[in-house]
Amino acid sequence: EPEVTQTPSHQVTQMGQEVILRCVPISNHLYFYWYRQILGQKVEFLVSFYNNEISEKSEIFDDQFSVERPDGSNFTLKIRSTKLEDSAMYFCASRTGRRNQPQHFGDGTRLSIL
Amino acid sequence: AQSVAQPEDQVNVAEGNPLTVKCTYSVSGNPYLFWYVQYPNRGLQFLLKYITGDNLVKGSYGFEAEFNKSQTSFHLKKPSALVSDSALYFCAVRVEDKFYFGSGTKLNVKP
Repeated sequence: EPEVTQTPSHQVTQMGQEVILRCVPISNHLYFYWYRQILGQKVEFLVSFYNNEISEKSEIFDDQFSVERPDGSNFTLKIRSTKLEDSAMYFCASRTGRRNQPQHFGDGTRLSIL
Repeated sequence: AQSVAQPEDQVNVAEGNPLTVKCTYSVSGNPYLFWYVQYPNRGLQFLLKYITGDNLVKGSYGFEAEFNKSQTSFHLKKPSALVSDSALYFCAVRVEDKFYFGSGTKLNVKP
């Protein structure tokens, strides 16, 4: 069964540095998402992306965050100047274009800010 | 505001017994409801969904969920729990194209 893949599985970065988290969604999917999960807390929506533009974003997704689909397969999340509180698991998800289909999640990238 | 509540942080059940993981929601409009399971160091894995139709929804691994509109609930159930069902379970509601997740319930199934 096709999967959403995320790299790296663990990223350690100094505070203030830029970090890029990478995702390869399922190939025929059209909608893409990023979520984060701070340790021990709930999964929080960050952003959704369709047709090469952001369709929705949460209040967490401020100017420090950006997303990009640089080619036909990758979907990236960039954090420009990381803060300690950005430490979390970041999950990428994708779904088909059909309405009401579930989102399929990757295994996440654990981001640790030092 | 849209919200999902999972009132139990943890549910303990003996193997072979029925299990229920509770979820209530508050949304404007018709709810699209989902259950996901998360194993350690893994992403969220889709279990089942309710969009419309029959209030009892069957999903993966023998799980089912019952949609109750009057009680705004969508409890996850399984007639006979397995030790391998031990994991973190998340209820979610979809509004527009955004998912709102509950805080998760840790299910412990003891042999």
